[in-house]
Amino acid sequence: GAGVSQSPSNKVTEKGKDVELRCDPISGHTALYWYRQSLGQGLEFLIYFQGNSAPDKSGLPSDRFSAERTGGSVSTLTIQRTQQEDSAVYLCASSQRGSEYNEQFFGPGTRLTVL
Amino acid sequence: GDSVTQMEGPVTLSEEAFLTINCTYTATGYPSLFWYVQYPGEGLQLLLKATKADDKGSNKGFEATYRKETTSFHLEKGSVQVSDSAVYFCALSGVSGAGSYQLTFGKGTKLSVIP
Repeated sequence: GAGVSQSPSNKVTEKGKDVELRCDPISGHTALYWYRQSLGQGLEFLIYFQGNSAPDKSGLPSDRFSAERTGGSVSTLTIQRTQQEDSAVYLCASSQRGSEYNEQFFGPGTRLTVL
Repeated sequence: GDSVTQMEGPVTLSEEAFLTINCTYTATGYPSLFWYVQYPGEGLQLLLKATKADDKGSNKGFEATYRKETTSFHLEKGSVQVSDSAVYFCALSGVSGAGSYQLTFGKGTKLSVIP
């Protein structure tokens, strides 16, 4: 079946602009995660959604970052007033349910470049 | 908080050489442990996992054993191939204070296998 998809695959923006990144998880997966992969920081957790529960936003680096998940499926990560340090690959992952045992399936990522 | 430390790369080996990539972790409780692989130009894929002490995960000739006494999960392969060239990430999954199951990753080890 289809895997996790993300769009766009690449995004170049100017400092101060807002960007939206989209994630389509695997159908039926209730858990969805956003991570950020950058040269300096490696792979970092950003936010977690599980079903209709309140998301765990503990990994978001600043209040310029927000995310929502509509209808328990598609998720959008929004970065407002982008800064150069936001340049990174943003990865989305989903799993059947939230659990330390469940494999997380990753999308190909969105490469964000802030000029 | 939870953390994962893995050997820094890059690692360059000749084909058919033995591979070890060291990984140690710090976590409360009993996390699940994973090795993820990122081939050039591709997304993160689960390579193997172990969910409790003394479990051995294995896949594609790679193995790793969950050692609670040494808090380690070293990746090994007896004979590497050129196609194993990739970046390898050690990771753990445990429940956070907010009740979510995000992965905590090591910084990754780039492996290059030369013919």
